[in-house]
Amino acid sequence: EPEVTQTPSHQVTQMGQEVILRCVPISNHLYFYWYRQILGQKVEFLVSFYNNEISEKSEIFDDQFSVERPDGSNFTLKIRSTKLEDSAMYFCASSEQQSLHFGNGTRLTVT
Amino acid sequence: AQRVTQPEKLLSVFKGAPVELKCNYSYSGSPELFWYVQYSRQRLQLLLRHISRESIKGFTADLNKGETSFHLKKPFAQEEDSAMYYCALSVWGRDDKIIFGKGTRLHILP
Repeated sequence: EPEVTQTPSHQVTQMGQEVILRCVPISNHLYFYWYRQILGQKVEFLVSFYNNEISEKSEIFDDQFSVERPDGSNFTLKIRSTKLEDSAMYFCASSEQQSLHFGNGTRLTVT
Repeated sequence: AQRVTQPEKLLSVFKGAPVELKCNYSYSGSPELFWYVQYSRQRLQLLLRHISRESIKGFTADLNKGETSFHLKKPFAQEEDSAMYYCALSVWGRDDKIIFGKGTRLHILP
C-alpha cells in the first residue's frame, strides 16, 4: 500500500536557522497538507496545497513559513528563521476524497 | 469558525466494557466528521468517517446534528484498542482544511 514518506525523522537546529522538511505524498493524491503537533497539544492545521498553490492556511502559517512542490514528487515545508516555539512534530499528509494519509512525522527541535 | 472539542484527555476502560469517546463540534454549515487513530509507534490513520456509515474494528460513530456530536462507540473494548483517538472536521465537499480535536488517549485495562 502506498505511503506518505517524510524526511528526516528528527531535525535539530539552532534558533534563527532555516530548516526544510521534506515529504513525498502519495502519487495520485491531489491535496497536500502540513500539520504540526507541539508536545502534549493537539494536531494543528498549518496549510493545504492544491494545483501548485496554497489552498488554505491557518493563522499559524505566517511569513516565516513557506511550502513548495519543487518537482513532481516532493512537497516541502520551509521555516525561514526558526524560533524555540517551532519545536514540534510536523506531519505531512495527502488526501483522496478528504481521507488524510499521514506520514510518520519529522520531530523538529530548535535549541 | 470550525472547532472540535474532545473533553476527555484520557479514558480508561476495562477489557470487555463498552467504550464511548466524546466529540462535539462547532460549525454553522454542513460538516463532515472523521475519527483518526494513532496506535503506539504508528502513524495517524483514518478510522472512520460519518458519510460511509461503516463499522471499523467494531467502532461506530453517528453524527447527531442536534447535539453537534460525533461520539465514537464500541460495545466491547479490546486491549488492541489502546491508542490515541482524534476527532476531525472538515467543510462538506472541501478537502482544503481538516481540523482536529485535542485527542483522547484510550487505555484498555486487562
